[in-house]
Amino acid sequence: AQSVTQLDSQVPVFEEAPVELRCNYSSSVSVYLFWYVQYPNQGLQLLLKYLSGSTLVESINGFEAEFNKSQTSFHLRKPSVHISDTAEYFCAVSTHMEYGNKLVFGAGTILRVKS
Amino acid sequence: SAVISQKPSRDICQRGTSLTIQCQVDSQVTMMFWYRQQPGQSLTLIATANQGSEATYESGFVIDKFPISRPNLTFSTLTVSNLSPEDSSIYLCSVLGYGNTEAFFGQGTRLTVV
Repeated sequence: AQSVTQLDSQVPVFEEAPVELRCNYSSSVSVYLFWYVQYPNQGLQLLLKYLSGSTLVESINGFEAEFNKSQTSFHLRKPSVHISDTAEYFCAVSTHMEYGNKLVFGAGTILRVKS
Repeated sequence: SAVISQKPSRDICQRGTSLTIQCQVDSQVTMMFWYRQQPGQSLTLIATANQGSEATYESGFVIDKFPISRPNLTFSTLTVSNLSPEDSSIYLCSVLGYGNTEAFFGQGTRLTVV
């Protein structure tokens, strides 16, 4: 069975500082990996995903994540955060299935950006 | 991408009653998924709904408590029955996008049981 571990439940950081949100997964088969973001009082939005190919994936708002197969990790990073990045971030994994994917989510990491 | 409309956005219900949540998608989709997000916790898949067949429930979830309808390829409902305070959660509808590799979510229904 698949599982996802997000090692930090909350990460406080000052504006313009770098941040890393950690995610490790376990799976016996090849996987797709995702980061979703949930802003206060809003629904889940896809931030970025790894399906295949380059292990470094980027989002349009400056986040990036690197798939590390040997360490079974998919950590999310941003070199300089903004107040508007304050949100809860969920790492998720799915396996390749005939009809699509079934996501397994981590517990979430709340990123609090302070001025 | 898919646009998902979920209703109601929130509700407060008496224990012992039921709440039906509706999910409308702007395109035809094969699979629709229902998730629960309990306070302070992550999302847990309740069931997968196929049009024209019975929903497939995850371990710990049963049809009597969470009956699901899927009358066509753009609509589904989830009913949470015989409500108790432990059912207070956010319930989310989800569908898969192009290539079945990306999931899109509705805004969620915040249920409070009193």
